[in-house]
Amino acid sequence: AQSVTQLDSHVSVSEGTPVLLRCNYSSSYSPSLFWYVQHPNKGLQLLLKYTSAATLVKGINGFEAEFKKSETSFHLTKPSAHMSDAAEYFCVVRTGAYSGAGSYQLTFGKGTKLSVIP
Amino acid sequence: KAGVTQTPRYLIKTRGQQVTLSCSPISGHRSVSWYQQTPGQGLQFLFEYFSETQRNKGNFPGRFSGRQFSNSRSEMNVSTLELGDSALYLCASSPGGVAYNEQFFGPGTRLTVL
Repeated sequence: AQSVTQLDSHVSVSEGTPVLLRCNYSSSYSPSLFWYVQHPNKGLQLLLKYTSAATLVKGINGFEAEFKKSETSFHLTKPSAHMSDAAEYFCVVRTGAYSGAGSYQLTFGKGTKLSVIP
Repeated sequence: KAGVTQTPRYLIKTRGQQVTLSCSPISGHRSVSWYQQTPGQGLQFLFEYFSETQRNKGNFPGRFSGRQFSNSRSEMNVSTLELGDSALYLCASSPGGVAYNEQFFGPGTRLTVL
């Protein structure tokens, strides 16, 4: 069964310093992986996605993630944190068997809360 | 294009009651998925509807049900509410189902069960 583990429940960085949010996945075959962000009282927004194309994926707002099969990791990074990056981030794997009707589902990690200190 | 809308945004109910939540997807999207978000369990998949048919379901009891109308709007119903049903319920839409690479989420309905 596919799953994701977010290694840190809370990360705190200073504004202008790099961000690293860690995610490991478990999958019996090549997975589709995503990072979503949730700002307080807002819905989830897709940051980036990996679907077996380039292993280094660039997303919105300067975020990127690298798919490393040997390490089963999909860590999210950003070179310089901004105050507006403070939010909760979710690593997500697409699971389920394709039945011809597109019946996948998304399995979410527990989330990492990112705090940005001025 | 307008985003995914959910109504109501906040709801307070008592144990034993039932509740119906509504989700209007982005225009042209035919798939609607529902998720429950709680501090303890995180985000969990409830079910997905596509063209008025439920085609995927998570591990929730039968008290949780849903339906989709011909205009793709979806409703989720929870009967015999329990305290543990207090959560943020998120709805997400996509053009053709979860198999597509992005789901667009609404702001959620926060349900409190007293």
